[in-house]
Amino acid sequence: TQLLEQSPQFLSIQEGENLTVYCNSSSVFSSLQWYRQEPGEGPVLLVTVVTGGEVKKLKRLTFQFGDARKDSSLHITAAQPGDTGLYLCATRGETSGSRLTFGEGTQLTVNP
Amino acid sequence: KAGVTQTPRYLIKTRGQQVTLSCSPISGHRSVSWYQQTPGQGLQFLFEYFSETQRNKGNFPGRFSGRQFSNSRSEMNVSTLELGDSALYLCASSVDATGVDTQYFGPGTRLTVL
Repeated sequence: TQLLEQSPQFLSIQEGENLTVYCNSSSVFSSLQWYRQEPGEGPVLLVTVVTGGEVKKLKRLTFQFGDARKDSSLHITAAQPGDTGLYLCATRGETSGSRLTFGEGTQLTVNP
Repeated sequence: KAGVTQTPRYLIKTRGQQVTLSCSPISGHRSVSWYQQTPGQGLQFLFEYFSETQRNKGNFPGRFSGRQFSNSRSEMNVSTLELGDSALYLCASSVDATGVDTQYFGPGTRLTVL
């Protein structure tokens, strides 16, 4: 099973600041997904990256996939309190089906 | 279109009891996966069902079991509950089990074992 390491584990910042969250593995990702989970809810898919070097933007969120497809980052510009939540990276296993392996998550708190 | 629904949302049980959790996938979705989320272990895959057949299974003891019905609804059962089974149990559905479809998660069932 592919292990995903996320850093930092916790992040508390002020509104308007920028931040970056990282997801790394010793193995190559076939693809990588980023989710956000809010209290009392299940994770919601933000983006899927597939190609090495790929960059995707979702409003103030920028997702990068490393050239070697072993790492990914999520950058948030001008964070807002509504960005507060648990950010998870996940990858599909080598077996067929929908099985996802998740990183431990980064708990982000944006203070007003 | 209604999202993934899970019942009950909260459950309190005592050690040794058994519990059944239910998941109704999005209409038209045939694949249902279950995950356990705890503060220490994060999100861990339990099993996946597609067309009433278990397609994948995670590294959990045999006390954890599941099934899927012909209408794609799924249940998971945990027998002989242990304190360590306290967790948020999430189910996710997708159109099929090819591995490329987006999975949609339900809000989870919070299980507390006393």
